[in-house]
This record gives sequence, C-alpha cells and structure tokens, in this order.
Amino acid sequence: GQNIDQPTEMTATEGAIVQINCTYQTSGFNGLFWYQQHAGEAPTFLSYNVLDGLEEKGRFSSFLSRSKGYSYLLLKELQMKDSASYLCAVSDSNYQLIWGAGTKLIIKP
Amino acid sequence: TAGITQAPTSQILAAGRSMTLRCTQDMRHNAMYWYRQDLGLGLRLIHYSNTAGTTGKGEVPDGYSVSRANTDDFPLTLASAVPSQTSVYFCASSDSGNSPTDTQYFGPGTRLTVL
Repeated sequence: GQNIDQPTEMTATEGAIVQINCTYQTSGFNGLFWYQQHAGEAPTFLSYNVLDGLEEKGRFSSFLSRSKGYSYLLLKELQMKDSASYLCAVSDSNYQLIWGAGTKLIIKP
Repeated sequence: TAGITQAPTSQILAAGRSMTLRCTQDMRHNAMYWYRQDLGLGLRLIHYSNTAGTTGKGEVPDGYSVSRANTDDFPLTLASAVPSQTSVYFCASSDSGNSPTDTQYFGPGTRLTVL
C-alpha cells in the first residue's frame, strides 16, 4: 500500500530552528512536495524535491533521500506566522499526489 | 489574478439532498482536482481531470460525480448526500497533470456539513 508518515504536532520557539520529517512508501516516485496550510485556509506550495540532497529557499530548506524514503523540511529563524500545518505529498507513478496527514507546528514566543 | 475560486464557502445540507460544489480557475491549467480534507487524514483525491472532456476517479470517488465541459470549470456533485460526506472540499489545478514538476494550486475550500 501507499503510506506517508509525518508527526502529528510539533512545538518550537520563535527564532529557533525546527525540522519536520516525512517518510514514505509509494508505488513509484516522481518527486516530493511540501505545502504550508494555515488554519482555515488552502494549502500553498513550498518546495519540490526529486533528486537527493538539500534545496534551500530563504528560511525554508527541504531535503530528500530517495533510498531511505525520507524527506525533511527545515524552518530557520522561526516567526509566529510560521504557525501552520505542513503537508508532505509524494507524486506517484501516475503523477497523482499522495498526501500525509500533515504536521501542525505551534510556535511559542 | 483570481486563481481558483470555489462556491459556496460553506453549506449545511440535509441528508439525501443533492448539491453541486463549483470550482473555476483562470490560469488556463489543463488539470483539475477535487480533494476532501478530514481531521487526522491527508488530503484524499475524489476525482480529477487531466484535460477538458476527460475525468478520472481518485481514491474516494463513491457518492461523487464530476464533469469537465471546458478548461475553466470543474463542478463536483453529490447526488444524495450522507453525513460521512461532511468535510472540507478543496479544488486544485495544475498545468499538465502528467509531469513530475507539476505543482498544484488550491482554491479556498468549501466547508460542507451534512445533517
């Protein structure tokens, strides 16, 4: 079967760094996406990885290891506005996205 | 640019009634999708369309139907609503639907409660 696992909830302090992990088992792999979703709003695209390694985009970075079926999203210099859910999704052999349940990130002052 | 719009924003529906959720995009994307999002679960694909005139079933299609008469619109119909269809429904679109780098863009969602 297809499975995406993420922690349900994480708490971090404003100004700190947090790493949100995602492990996956899917039928085929055409890349991994991270989305951000604020409460009551639509998901918005953050990053896409298809090759192993780290992709950096400002305060956010995303890492992929295809051999381990593993990715993480790294958020630096946390701000209160980063409080949101972070969704991991894998593009399968048919280019359909398989979604994790999301990680709710709580930022404390 | 509006991007993707959905209507209504929210709705309370009596069980057994029918309803159509509307979705319109102005990005000229070929592919469109309908998802439902339930607490504790990931987004689940209901139906999709890779181009006008074609549709496909996703992970949870039962009780739902779609049509894609043109590029911009992708309505979702519940023929006879049941309480288990209470959820938040998101419409999304992407450029092609068959490319590894295809990024999906989401509408604001419709919150549906079936009583």
